[in-house]
Amino acid sequence: AAGVIQSPRHLIKEKRETATLKCYPISRHDTVYWYQQGPGQDPQFLISFYEKMQSDKGSIPDRFSAQQFSDYHSELNMSSLELGDSALYFCASSDTGGFWYNEQFFGPGTRLTVL
Amino acid sequence: KQEVTQIPAALSVPEGENLVLNCSFTDSAIYNLQWFRQDPGKGLTSLLLIQSSQREQTSGRLNASLDKSSGRSTLYIAASQPGDSATYLCAARGGATNKLIFGTGTLLAVQP
Repeated sequence: AAGVIQSPRHLIKEKRETATLKCYPISRHDTVYWYQQGPGQDPQFLISFYEKMQSDKGSIPDRFSAQQFSDYHSELNMSSLELGDSALYFCASSDTGGFWYNEQFFGPGTRLTVL
Repeated sequence: KQEVTQIPAALSVPEGENLVLNCSFTDSAIYNLQWFRQDPGKGLTSLLLIQSSQREQTSGRLNASLDKSSGRSTLYIAASQPGDSATYLCAARGGATNKLIFGTGTLLAVQP
């Protein structure tokens, strides 16, 4: 079965530009999570969606927004990019069904470089 | 607030050795704990998931244990190989939220 798909895999942007990262969860998974991993750091939770509704929110800047669509894919929109936004962005999905103990499966990540 | 720490931060062992990686968490009210492997600049590969009701999980040469009362988990790697060289991350899934809180990671180098 196909895993979590993220696109693009690499993205280079200039400061103050916008970027959109996409995540396609595993088939029938209803929950999507976004994490940010800065250079040399551990992944930090940004935001999650369950059945197209925001289910939890972490340290996501106000410049970022995200949503989950009817086909369960999710997009992370990032505006007014800053140098500090350069990081590896992971998407994960799980078949939650309202039970939060189910495993999260991670995508390969999108490496965003802001110049 | 859940905090997850890993000791040691880095570890170098000769090939063939058995080793233990440690993970500590401050809030014992977790749903589960996952161990991941991450190669440099790459994604996260899930190794083992231990539910809060379980004591341990095994997969091949890997064995992970969980002691909720003491806030600890260990990842045991038997007969280490150079291909095991990577950063190992543990992540706790808390009771009040469904997000994963990651530890600081252990950088493992297995010398041939």
